[in-house]
Amino acid sequence: EPEVTQTPSHQVTQMGQEVILRCVPISNHLYFYWYRQILGQKVEFLVSFYNNEISEKSEIFDDQFSVERPDGSNFTLKIRSTKLEDSAMYFCASSGNYQGGGEKLFFGSGTQLSVL
Amino acid sequence: GESVGLHLPTLSVQEGDNSIINCAYSNSASDYFIWYKQESGKGPQFIIDIRSNMDKRQGQRVTVLLNKTVKHLSLQIAATQPGDSAVYFCAEIPNTGNQFYFGTGTSLTVIP
Repeated sequence: EPEVTQTPSHQVTQMGQEVILRCVPISNHLYFYWYRQILGQKVEFLVSFYNNEISEKSEIFDDQFSVERPDGSNFTLKIRSTKLEDSAMYFCASSGNYQGGGEKLFFGSGTQLSVL
Repeated sequence: GESVGLHLPTLSVQEGDNSIINCAYSNSASDYFIWYKQESGKGPQFIIDIRSNMDKRQGQRVTVLLNKTVKHLSLQIAATQPGDSAVYFCAEIPNTGNQFYFGTGTSLTVIP
C-alpha cells in the first residue's frame, strides 16, 4: 500500500537554528499538508499546499515557517529560527482530491522535533 | 477557532467487548467527519468517515454514528482486540475550507 514517508524520524536542534523537515507524499496525490502535535495535545493544522502554492494556512504558520515542493516528489517544511515552543511531532499528509469531497488524508509517521 | 473535543481521555475495555468512543464538535457547518487511529510512534490512520447527510455508517467491526442535533459523533468498535489499543481522534472538515480540525484524542486500552 502506498504511504507517506517522512525524514528524519527525530530531529534535535538548538533554539534559533533552521530546520527542514522532509516528506515524500503518495505519488499521485495532489494536495499536501503539514500538521503538528505537541505532546499530549491534539493534532493541529499548519498548512495545505496545492498546485505549487499554499492554499490555506493556520495562525500557527507564521513568517518563520515555509513550505516547498522542490521537485516532483518531495515536500518540505522549513522553520527558519526555531523556538522552544516549536518542539512537537510534525506530520506530513497528502490526499488525492479536495478534502471536502470526501478524500481522506494519508499521514506519514511524523518527525519528532526537539528544540533545546 | 474551531473546537472538536472528546468526552473521555482514556478508555479501558476487556478483549472481546464492544468499545464506544465519543466526540463532540462545535461547527454546525461541518459536513464531513473522520475517525483516525494513532498507534504509538505512527501517524494517524484512517478508520472510517461519514458525511453530514448520513446518521450511521458501518465498516469492518467499526460503526460511526452522527447526531447532528447535538453535534455528537461516536465510534463503535465491535469485539475489541488488543490490536485496537491506540489513541482515537475524531476530525471534522467544515464546508468552508479544506483543513481538518482534530479532537484531543481518546486512549483506548484493550485488556487481554
